[in-house]
Amino acid sequence: NAGVTQTPKFRVLKTGQSMTLLCAQDMNHEYMYWYRQDPGMGLRLIHYSVGEGTTAKGEVPDGYNVSRLKKQNFLLGLESAAPSQTSVYFCASSPRLAGGMPQYFGPGTRLLVL
Amino acid sequence: QQQVKQSPQSLIVQKGGISIINCAYENTAFDYFPWYQQFPGKGPALLIAIRPDVSEKKEGRFTISFNKSAKQFSLHIMDSQPGDSATYFCAASITSGTYKYIFGTGTRLKVLA
Repeated sequence: NAGVTQTPKFRVLKTGQSMTLLCAQDMNHEYMYWYRQDPGMGLRLIHYSVGEGTTAKGEVPDGYNVSRLKKQNFLLGLESAAPSQTSVYFCASSPRLAGGMPQYFGPGTRLLVL
Repeated sequence: QQQVKQSPQSLIVQKGGISIINCAYENTAFDYFPWYQQFPGKGPALLIAIRPDVSEKKEGRFTISFNKSAKQFSLHIMDSQPGDSATYFCAASITSGTYKYIFGTGTRLKVLA
């Protein structure tokens, strides 16, 4: 099993450009999440999904959109990139388990917006 | 109320020593507390997790201590090794609610050889 994979690994954008980050998981997990990681800020939740076709806003959703058309994929879109969106983006997935829901993270996408 | 406060921000420990990282929370509805380990350039990986019905959980050299009344939990790394040098994050979640984690801001651990 590949676990959680993210595409691309690294990207440079100019302000105003758009892009889509792809997350795929092969563990048949119900839940998927997008985080951004910035120095000193920890991991902050952007959007999440509790099942195919459903999405919800997290802590820092502004400037991002998401879609989950297939259970195994969760896409994060930036319609008009801004320098403040320079960050490392992590996708995670989680099974629904009684007693706790461990999240499994992908390797990250490093995004630089100039 | 949704914050998880983590300390220290960075920690330097000699090889063989004990590393201790602390987290505090306010929301008493949290009922799942995982710790994640992250190496440079990698995604976080689940290390160990605890629920509030136990006061301690041990897995190898890693132990979580949980103090429900103080709303605090900590990670202890016994016999710390240079390979443990990484950033550690605590988190809290409500398992019957929105399934979201609230993460601490991380502790950068360096274990000196």
